[in-house]
Amino acid sequence: AQSVTQLDSHVSVSEGTPVLLRCNYSSSYSPSLFWYVQHPNKGLQLLLKYTSAATLVKGINGFEAEFKKSETSFHLTKPSAHMSDAAEYFCGSLSGTYKYIFGTGTRLKVLA
Amino acid sequence: EPEVTQTPSHQVTQMGQEVILRCVPISNHLYFYWYRQILGQKVEFLVSFYNNEISEKSEIFDDQFSVERPDGSNFTLKIRSTKLEDSAMYFCASSEPFTTEQYFGPGTRLTVT
Repeated sequence: AQSVTQLDSHVSVSEGTPVLLRCNYSSSYSPSLFWYVQHPNKGLQLLLKYTSAATLVKGINGFEAEFKKSETSFHLTKPSAHMSDAAEYFCGSLSGTYKYIFGTGTRLKVLA
Repeated sequence: EPEVTQTPSHQVTQMGQEVILRCVPISNHLYFYWYRQILGQKVEFLVSFYNNEISEKSEIFDDQFSVERPDGSNFTLKIRSTKLEDSAMYFCASSEPFTTEQYFGPGTRLTVT
């Protein structure tokens, strides 16, 4: 069965330092993978998606993710964290035609 | 920018009561979804809805749950006879036809006491 695992429930970084949020997937075929972000009292907003084109995917707000089939990973990175990046981040996979499967989320804290 | 809205933001109900969670999807979208997230657990798919009928539902979506699009703008999730374990954040989402990107609302936090 398809599944998505987010390896860290909480990540803290200092402002200006790199961000790494880890996600591993399990799928018997080439998956469609997503990262969403949720700011307080807001809906989940799509950051980026991988759909079997380029393995390095660039998203909004300076985020990017690299699809690594050999490691079954789709980690989210950003070179320099900003205070406004503090939020909850969800890695997800498309299962079937329209159903998403999500991980448990990673809460990113950015320290001044 | 158009967005999905959900009301109420927080609902408290007693066990055994019925609740209706409301969503207004983006106006030109045709696919609608409900997901839920129990505290500390994964966001789980509940149901997808298209052309006034359920397209797919998970094993969680049993006879206790129902969805409806009562008019041209609202999409509702009804939970009959709520249980303590129904306490969760419920997210509504919508999407255009033939696209994988779903737009999510801010969620309704349901607390069953």
